[in-house]
Amino acid sequence: GAGVSQSPSNKVTEKGKDVELRCDPISGHTALYWYRQSLGQGLEFLIYFQGNSAPDKSGLPSDRFSAERTGGSVSTLTIQRTQQEDSAVYLCASTPPGELFFGEGSRLTVL
Amino acid sequence: AQTVTQSQPEMSVQEAETVTLSCTYDTSESNYYLFWYKQPPSRQMILVIRQEAYKQQNATENRFSVNFQKAAKSFSLKISDSQLGDTAMYFCAFGNRLSQGAQKLVFGQGTRLTINP
Repeated sequence: GAGVSQSPSNKVTEKGKDVELRCDPISGHTALYWYRQSLGQGLEFLIYFQGNSAPDKSGLPSDRFSAERTGGSVSTLTIQRTQQEDSAVYLCASTPPGELFFGEGSRLTVL
Repeated sequence: AQTVTQSQPEMSVQEAETVTLSCTYDTSESNYYLFWYKQPPSRQMILVIRQEAYKQQNATENRFSVNFQKAAKSFSLKISDSQLGDTAMYFCAFGNRLSQGAQKLVFGQGTRLTINP
């Protein structure tokens, strides 16, 4: 596809379970970002990948959150032992210089 | 650290009217970018307009224009001849330059804009 693709679109899980969210960036984009958007809030930066450089993990809220990017393309955000406060929309964006292209997000609901 | 503030949580105007959304930011950098993104109910974030800090001329994009006041650290968005399809959350964002020209954006809390028929 032409845009950033995220899956699943919606995920409902039970407290304490692990979840994985996937992002397929636009082909050729070297940088990839994960943001979190809680209900009615702005976007909170989580993590950033740029080429082969070490990722900027400064926004990850706890060690339950991790992300990887394989082969410089697809990225997976993993949340272990989910808590109710993890409920949010998780947005992925990829970029050439100058503009972020966002996916439609993965809505996570932790019961 | 950079911060972005949008002081208007919600706004509502009639179709065809002009509306201005406010945004202020705080930074010690001199070279940066400012953005307005639109998020309709579909959740897709869409870039509306972008301003480069070193450019004095205000950016315009059809019915959308900005008033960039660098000294005041203000970056407002004006929507002229508003349309029903403009109904959305609008986010102001600040971007600093990272290596290889990529951007790490800091977002404001958003303004929910409703255009009434």
